[in-house]
Amino acid sequence: AQSVAQPEDQVNVAEGNPLTVKCTYSVSGNPYLFWYVQYPNRGLQFLLKYITGDNLVKGSYGFEAEFNKSQTSFHLKKPSALVSDSALYFCAVRDGHYGNNRLAFGKGNQVVVIP
Amino acid sequence: EAGVAQSPRYKIIEKRQSVAFWCNPISGHATLYWYQQILGQGPKLLIQFQNNGVVDDSQLPKDRFSAERLKGVDSTLKIQPAKLEDSAVYLCASSLVGPRGTEAFFGQGTRLTVV
Repeated sequence: AQSVAQPEDQVNVAEGNPLTVKCTYSVSGNPYLFWYVQYPNRGLQFLLKYITGDNLVKGSYGFEAEFNKSQTSFHLKKPSALVSDSALYFCAVRDGHYGNNRLAFGKGNQVVVIP
Repeated sequence: EAGVAQSPRYKIIEKRQSVAFWCNPISGHATLYWYQQILGQGPKLLIQFQNNGVVDDSQLPKDRFSAERLKGVDSTLKIQPAKLEDSAVYLCASSLVGPRGTEAFFGQGTRLTVV
């Protein structure tokens, strides 16, 4: 079954510094990878996805993610963090293997951007 | 474009009582999901519909949880009877029917507290 690991519970970063949120995945087929963000008392908002093609994917609010097949990783990045980026970030994967269409989420990473 | 609508936003019930949640997906989205998000964890899929048929309910505790999607649009999720461990945020999401790279859009969720 597909799974996602987000190894860090919380990521602290100073405003203006680069932000990285780590994600590794496990699937039996080709991966379809997603990042979502959740603000307090809100639902999940879609940020970006990787399906195929260029390993560097650009998404909303200046975020991007890099797909690395050999390391089975899909880390989320932002060159310069804002205080408003403080939120909960979820990585998710869907297995490309026929017959299993479930979207599996990681446990999430709390990002705190310090002014 | 209107997003995924859910109601109620909050619900507090006593254990062994019943509760129902309602979801209206984005217009034209044939796929509808119900997720359970326990505090500190990522969302877990409970059930997935395509139109009014069930695609995946393997993680739905069927002895107490039920869901339906009449006419392939709105959906309700019911818990009867509720247990303390059912305290969580229940998220509804919808997506277009498409390849596995199709992203899901989430509602704000219903926060259930069982006391």
